[in-house]
Amino acid sequence: AQKVTQAQTEISVVEKEDVTLDCVYETRDTTYYLFWYKQPPSGELVFLIRRNSFDEQNEISGRYSWNFQKSTSSFNFTITASQVVDSAVYFCALSATGDDMRFGAGTRLTVKP
Amino acid sequence: EAEVAQSPRYKITEKSQAVAFWCDPISGHATLYWYRQILGQGPELLVQFQDESVVDDSQLPKDRFSAERLKGVDSTLKIQPAELGDSAMYLCASSLSSGGAKTQYFGPGTRLLVL
Repeated sequence: AQKVTQAQTEISVVEKEDVTLDCVYETRDTTYYLFWYKQPPSGELVFLIRRNSFDEQNEISGRYSWNFQKSTSSFNFTITASQVVDSAVYFCALSATGDDMRFGAGTRLTVKP
Repeated sequence: EAEVAQSPRYKITEKSQAVAFWCDPISGHATLYWYRQILGQGPELLVQFQDESVVDDSQLPKDRFSAERLKGVDSTLKIQPAELGDSAMYLCASSLSSGGAKTQYFGPGTRLLVL
């Protein structure tokens, strides 16, 4: 069975601080995909990144970076120099096919000015 | 930039009434998904369409929920009768193809409140 755990329910930081959102997953599949989505107060889920299980290279996109470690079944997300606009709920998700997305419970990030 | 459209954005209804939600996927996206997101939780898949065909509706409460995508483009999700426990965000997503390395893109959702 697939499972995604986001142990941090809520995180609060002050603007310009770095923050890391944790994601731990469980799966028996040898091929799978990991995702991060952002859900701002307006409600839509905004796609941030997709990573397949064969690609363990870390990725950086502007202030965002992702650390995929298969050995610990983790796919953590770091925001550098956080901004108020980063305030949202962030979801980590797992899928074997791209269809059957299993989402974590989400981490609510609040960035205070 | 192409987006998934949903309407209405908000819906308040009384229990036992019927409600319907509409979704228009990104043009050219053959796969369409409906999710339900209860407050404080991640989205959970209700139904998946490939073109006009249902691929997975195993989590759809079929006694009261129905979904259709008659022409393989836009889709409607209906609840009849609505119950208090149906209060949630209903999200629609679409992707280019089924299976493989693909990404689901989500619409703004419909927030349903059942009184």
